[in-house]
Amino acid sequence: DSGVTQTPKHLITATGQRVTLRCSPRSGDLSVYWYQQSLDQGLQFLIQYYNGEERAKGNILERFSAQQFPDLHSELNLSSLELGDSALYFCASSAPGGRGTEAFFGQGTRLTVV
Amino acid sequence: AQSVTQLDSQVPVFEEAPVELRCNYSSSVSVYLFWYVQYPNQGLQLLLKYLSGSTLVKGINGFEAEFNKSQTSFHLRKPSVHISDTAEYFCAVSGTDSWGKLQFGAGTQVVVTP
Repeated sequence: DSGVTQTPKHLITATGQRVTLRCSPRSGDLSVYWYQQSLDQGLQFLIQYYNGEERAKGNILERFSAQQFPDLHSELNLSSLELGDSALYFCASSAPGGRGTEAFFGQGTRLTVV
Repeated sequence: AQSVTQLDSQVPVFEEAPVELRCNYSSSVSVYLFWYVQYPNQGLQLLLKYLSGSTLVKGINGFEAEFNKSQTSFHLRKPSVHISDTAEYFCAVSGTDSWGKLQFGAGTQVVVTP
C-alpha cells in the first residue's frame, strides 16, 4: 500500500458526460501529480500541484481541469468525455524535499467512456 | 524537455535466468532516473532511482541499474528472475530543473516462464 488513495476505482460513463476523480495523497506529502495511462499514448503526465498551487502542466486537454484543496486532496475533472478519454488515471504524491524525491502512486481510477 | 526510449516492448525470460531491460534517454538538462514496476491491476512501485554519485544503483527485489552518461542509458538488470517478476517495467526521467514530474518510457513487459 503506497498510502495514496484514489476513488473511485472504476468508472463507466457515457460520452459527453463529466466525471470527477479524487486523490488523497500520503500524509505529509505536498505535491500531487496526475498521469493518464492509455494503450496508445502510454503514461502521460497531466498536471502537478504543490500545496494548493499549480506547479507544472503537461499534456492536459482543455476539457480537463484539476485542483488541490487546503486539506491537500486533489480532484481531476474530466468533461465533455469522448471515447478516447478511456484510460487509467493515476495520482501520485511526493514529500517536500526538492527535486528527485520519490513519487508514490495510487492504484488508479479506470475510466471507461461508452 | 526529456524523452525516454525503452528498446524492448516485451522480454520473455525463463525462471532463474538473468534479465536486462534497456532504457535510453535524451535531455537538454541533467536528469534524475527511475525504474518503476507495475503489477497487473496495480499502481506503479519504485524499484530504484539514480540521483547522483555511484553509477551503479541497487534497488528492491534484487534489481540493479547502471547509469551511463556518455551513452545516455540506464539499463535495469536482475541476475536471476522469479515468476513473481512478471510485470511491466517503466523507465522514467525527471529533469533536475523540474519539480518531480516524470517522463515515462513506453514500458517493457517481462514474462517469466518456468
